[in-house]
Order: sequence, then structure tokens, then C-alpha cells
Amino acid sequence: AQKVTQAQTEISVVEKEDVTLDCVYETRDTTYYLFWYKQPPSGELVFLIRRNSFDEQNEISGRYSWNFQKSTSSFNFTITASQVVDSAVYFCALSGAYNFNKFYFGSGTKLNVKP
Amino acid sequence: GAVVSQHPSRVICKSGTSVKIECRSLDFQATTMFWYRQFPKQSLMLMATSNEGSKATYEQGVEKDKFLINHASLTLSTLTVTSAHPEDSSFYICSAGLGTGLSGNTIYFGEGSWLTVV
Repeated sequence: AQKVTQAQTEISVVEKEDVTLDCVYETRDTTYYLFWYKQPPSGELVFLIRRNSFDEQNEISGRYSWNFQKSTSSFNFTITASQVVDSAVYFCALSGAYNFNKFYFGSGTKLNVKP
Repeated sequence: GAVVSQHPSRVICKSGTSVKIECRSLDFQATTMFWYRQFPKQSLMLMATSNEGSKATYEQGVEKDKFLINHASLTLSTLTVTSAHPEDSSFYICSAGLGTGLSGNTIYFGEGSWLTVV
């Protein structure tokens, strides 16, 4: 069974603070993908990152960074120097070997960045 | 621009009527598309897998007679909510993928459709 847990329901920070969004996953597949998406109030899903199970290298993209640790089944997302525009709901998702296009989403973390 | 497009983006319908939502892949053919539902302030839950030329595969707990899925062409899947009720009010979003394997898989989501049943 595939499962994604985002324990943080809502986080509030002040602009310029760093914030980390946690994601823990469960899968029996040895081959899988992990994703992060941003969902603004308008509803569309904005793709942030995809990581496959064989690539544990951490990644940095501007103010965004991701820490993938298979040993703890975690794929955490850090925003450095947060901005008001980062306010949104962030979803972590998993797709497995049976069908890489079929996603299992976490419950989402609502991030509020206050000026 | 969007490579997967949904229409309508917002729809309001009366209780008891049916409403159709379209999902189109614009620049590629998709033999498989996926439909998700998101209730307010909740996560996205997979409803069904839409298979071109064959029956859709529904997730456990999803009523196939209520949520009719048709995937008549390689670029179009439709979700029809039949005899809609207020509890069907939700955000519906579709996705389609290019490739199926680890090396070349890219998934695209539509913009989503907000359904309000009054």
C-alpha cells in the first residue's frame, strides 16, 4: 500500500524565516517517485520537484531545497527566507512502480507567511 | 501553456441534475488519465483511472454509476457526475502522463474544476 503523511496541518511564519515542511511516505515498491506540489487558492497544482527512489541527492532550487532520506522514508521541503507569495497549501505525493502516473497525496500543509 | 486542460473551470448545477467535466491532453496522446477529488481543505483523493477504449478503474468507495467516466479518444476523458447532490460539491482535477517508466515519466495536471451543487 502507498501512503504519504504530512503531519503538519498548518504552519505560520513571518516573512524571511526559514520553514521546513515534513513528508513521510510508506511503500513496498523499490522503485517509486516522490513529488512536491504547491496549490494556491485558485486550485491548480504547481509542480515543484520530482525525485526517483534511486536518487537520494538533496536538491536546491533557489530558495527551495529538498532532503530525501530513504533510511527514514522522508522527503522534506525547506523554504529559505520565506516570502508572502509562498503562502499556499503544499502537497507531497508518491507514485509507485505499478503505475508511475497514479499519485497518492499527503493531506497537505497550509503555509501562511505573514509580512 | 497548459498541456492538460479542463473545462469548465467552475460550474454550478442544481441538485438532481448531471454535469460533465472534460479533461483534454493538448499536445500528446494519453491512453490513461486520472481523476482526483478534493473536498474543501482536504487532500486530493484518486477517484478513478480512465482508460482509453475500455472501462475506467474505480478506487474503492467511489460509485461508478454516479461518477461516469468516458475516455473515447486519446486526448479526451470526461467525468459525468450524475444526479448531483450538494455533497458532491468539490474540486475535481485530472491528470495525464507522458511515459510510464522511471526514466521518462512526466505527469501533467489540469487546472481543476470547481463543482458546486445547489
